[in-house]
Amino acid sequence: DGGITQSPKYLFRKEGQNVTLSCEQNLNHDAMYWYRQDPGQGLRLIYYSQIVNDFQKGDIAEGYSVSREKKESFPLTVTSAQKNPTAFYLCASRQGSGELFFGEGSRLTVL
Amino acid sequence: AQRVTQPEKLLSVFKGAPVELKCNYSYSGSPELFWYVQYSRQRLQLLLRHISRESIKGFTADLNKGETSFHLKKPFAQEEDSAMYYCAIDSGGYQKVTFGTGTKLQVIP
Repeated sequence: DGGITQSPKYLFRKEGQNVTLSCEQNLNHDAMYWYRQDPGQGLRLIYYSQIVNDFQKGDIAEGYSVSREKKESFPLTVTSAQKNPTAFYLCASRQGSGELFFGEGSRLTVL
Repeated sequence: AQRVTQPEKLLSVFKGAPVELKCNYSYSGSPELFWYVQYSRQRLQLLLRHISRESIKGFTADLNKGETSFHLKKPFAQEEDSAMYYCAIDSGGYQKVTFGTGTKLQVIP
């Protein structure tokens, strides 16, 4: 079954802790993306990667980090430096200028 | 910097009425514009893109470079059209895709 898999679906974190969200794709897409979705603010781009071992900051990269060691994987770490991490996070991938394929999302809550 | 503006957070229309979801963009190059839709409890998915010039589920969108707009239209709204709609812009070579804040379409029976 091809697609984008995000895990976990729900995650709780204490303040001051780092947490890593997983995103895996088996679509053989070169590009992968992380967005943050908040009510009334739409989707805001955190990081994106056009190719393995390369990634660029999006519009709200502060407090986040990523890696792209494998084509199929693009994990996002929400660090303790992120001031307001409670949100819904969406991962996506695409090939060339094609459409974005999205995962089901991960909801992070900071307690 | 590229930017997408969707001025309406919520648009309520009666079934059978025409629908127009507004999208304006700012970008210095030649952008690619998209509309994505998120139905309840489903993943965000592509509705249409301007280069294909297709009509999907009765929706159309025309790129107006003079007005920097890419409004989404449908002549007769259906209840199943109720969803969240996002306009997005692709910067092309850099592959940066920026979304608007979204418009919730509510079709009243």
